Amino acid sequence: EAQVTQNPRYLITVTGKKLTVTCSQNMNHEYMSWYRQDPGLGLRQIYYSMNVEVTDKGDVPEGYKVSRKEKRNFPLILESPSPNQTSLYFCASGSNRGLNTEAFFGQGTRLTVV
Amino acid sequence: DQQVKQNSPSLSVQEGRISILNCDYTNSMFDYFLWYKKYPAEGPTFLISISSIKDKNEDGRFTVFLNKSAKHLSLHIVPSQPGDSAVYFCAASRFETSGSRLTFGEGTQLTVNP
Repeated sequence: EAQVTQNPRYLITVTGKKLTVTCSQNMNHEYMSWYRQDPGLGLRQIYYSMNVEVTDKGDVPEGYKVSRKEKRNFPLILESPSPNQTSLYFCASGSNRGLNTEAFFGQGTRLTVV
Repeated sequence: DQQVKQNSPSLSVQEGRISILNCDYTNSMFDYFLWYKKYPAEGPTFLISISSIKDKNEDGRFTVFLNKSAKHLSLHIVPSQPGDSAVYFCAASRFETSGSRLTFGEGTQLTVNP
């Protein structure tokens, strides 16, 4: 089954404790992205990657890191989480080829930083 | 600043009637627009898209209209069904970045009453 898989689905952590949210896709997609969803703000892009070893900042990159060492994986790293990073996070992937290049989203990771 | 705005946080319609969801954008560089549907505890799923060379795109019960001069797009659902109850997000992009670099609106909660 074609899918974008995020882990974990739920995470509660303490301020300052480094964490990684994993994202994997099995569709051989070129681009992958991370978004956060907050009430009243919709989804905002954190980072994106157009291909392996190519990453760029989105609209709200502060406090986050990413890497794209393999085509299928795009982990999101919070080196020192803070309470304002409590949010619902979504990973997405898509193809650059053809006309239909919409992004496919994972099921989300709900992160709480206390 | 919010470059994509959905001014109605919620919309309630009767089953069988038309649902109209609206979206406005400010960035004239956007030329590719998408609608996503989101159920609770799931990731957004792609619904329909339109490029700026068109003013209408139809897919079954879903039609998206684009008015470039007004920087406005709308999603029509006819007939509405209870299973359409979800949060709908409007998103915009540049065609060359397509789904990799999406700017989302705040979302509209649609409730279709039996």
